[in-house]
Amino acid sequence: QVDLVQSGAEVKKPGASVKVSCQASGYSFTDYYMSWVRQAPGQGLEWMAWINPNTGGTNYTQKFRGRIAVTRDASISTAYMALTSLRSDDTAVYYCARGGYHTSGPWNAFDVWGQGTTVTVSS
Amino acid sequence: EIVLTQSPGTLSLSPGERATFSCRASQSVSKYFAWYQQKPGQAPSLLIFGASSRASGIPDRFSASGSGTDFTLTITRLEPEDFAVYYCQQYDSSPFTFGPGTKVEIK
Repeated sequence: QVDLVQSGAEVKKPGASVKVSCQASGYSFTDYYMSWVRQAPGQGLEWMAWINPNTGGTNYTQKFRGRIAVTRDASISTAYMALTSLRSDDTAVYYCARGGYHTSGPWNAFDVWGQGTTVTVSS
Repeated sequence: EIVLTQSPGTLSLSPGERATFSCRASQSVSKYFAWYQQKPGQAPSLLIFGASSRASGIPDRFSASGSGTDFTLTITRLEPEDFAVYYCQQYDSSPFTFGPGTKVEIK
């Protein structure tokens, strides 16, 4: 079955960086866009970025530009989200989510989600 | 950035009742619109895509309609497992924004 498995929880100090991984299985990794979405404690969902795993092309929301990098290693069907200069308000659960077929563009709902990775930023 | 507004914020209902809630977009998103359900401690799951199409495995008590700027999700008869938070999302243009959510709680 289709699955996205994310790396484990992280605790970081302010100013540090974090890199979260998302390994796909059950489908061709390079065929579908992958997005990253975060959810602060008790808050709603916030879309951060997408990557086209086929081409490596990315799109980031303005809020995170300069601090975020989404990459992939197609050989191990894994996407990564790195966030730098962490602040306390970056404390959240970070999700990867599968988007649309790569030839159709990123304009698709997210039909498969990872289990989430809790990132805690605290001094 | 397209802003999504959901109403109501909270809906208090009993099992077996009908739930209807809405989402309004600050500009047209055509039918590039989805609804998600999220239960405590779980990742969101896709209910509806393309404004009105049920995702795989979603029971037919869930239905949705709308296009442009106004969208509605209806649950005809609430089951115990339907008490959750529901988010709308537009994927018409980047950033792919979400609404703030509607919590459906047991009355």
